[in-house]
Amino acid sequence: QVQLVESGGGVVQPGRSLRLSCAASGFTFSSHGMHWVRQAPGKGLEWVAGLWFDGTNKYYADSVKGRFTISRDNSKNTLYLQINSLRAEDTAVFYCARDVYSYGPYHFDHWGQGTLVTVSS
Amino acid sequence: QSALTQPPSASGSPGQSVTISCTGTSSDVGGHNYVSWYRQYPGKAPKLMIYDVTKRPSGVPDRFSGSKSGNTASLTVSGLQADDEADYYCSSYAGSNNLVFGGGTKLTVL
Repeated sequence: QVQLVESGGGVVQPGRSLRLSCAASGFTFSSHGMHWVRQAPGKGLEWVAGLWFDGTNKYYADSVKGRFTISRDNSKNTLYLQINSLRAEDTAVFYCARDVYSYGPYHFDHWGQGTLVTVSS
Repeated sequence: QSALTQPPSASGSPGQSVTISCTGTSSDVGGHNYVSWYRQYPGKAPKLMIYDVTKRPSGVPDRFSGSKSGNTASLTVSGLQADDEADYYCSSYAGSNNLVFGGGTKLTVL
């Protein structure tokens, strides 16, 4: 069955960096667009970044452009999110999600359990 | 990108039907047929319930249906059951490789 397992979250000081990982299994990882979606405590969902099945096209929400970098390693079935210059408002659960399609961002049919990032001094 | 507009809450009694709206613009909901609906229980990851406006993923009961008219998409849950109580989010492709979510609707089964 499809599994997405995020890791890399934790408590980080403002201004520092963090890299999140998402290990995928149970499907052909290299055939699907992949995304990161975050949810601040008690708030709604916010799509933050995505990339095509082959990693050739990457795209970001305006709110994170310039600070977040999404990437993938299809040989390791792993998705990454590099977050720089962390701010208090980045505090959220970060979900890894699979797109229904190879491109996107369109629809997310499988989600990980999420990893919590807390930005605090 | 601005968030899509959903009512903060909706409710219905067991067995009834309830419809949740999701209003956007001609740049997102009205301009593309890439509207999705997600259900989220507290503390859990979201689950895809509807995609491409009207399609149901395998395993989603046909009590859940989606539609769209102009800039507004809708999710209808028929035959309400206790475990339908959850938060529901819509999303839409917004062009130029962007996606926007709605603010979410808390569905209460009375």
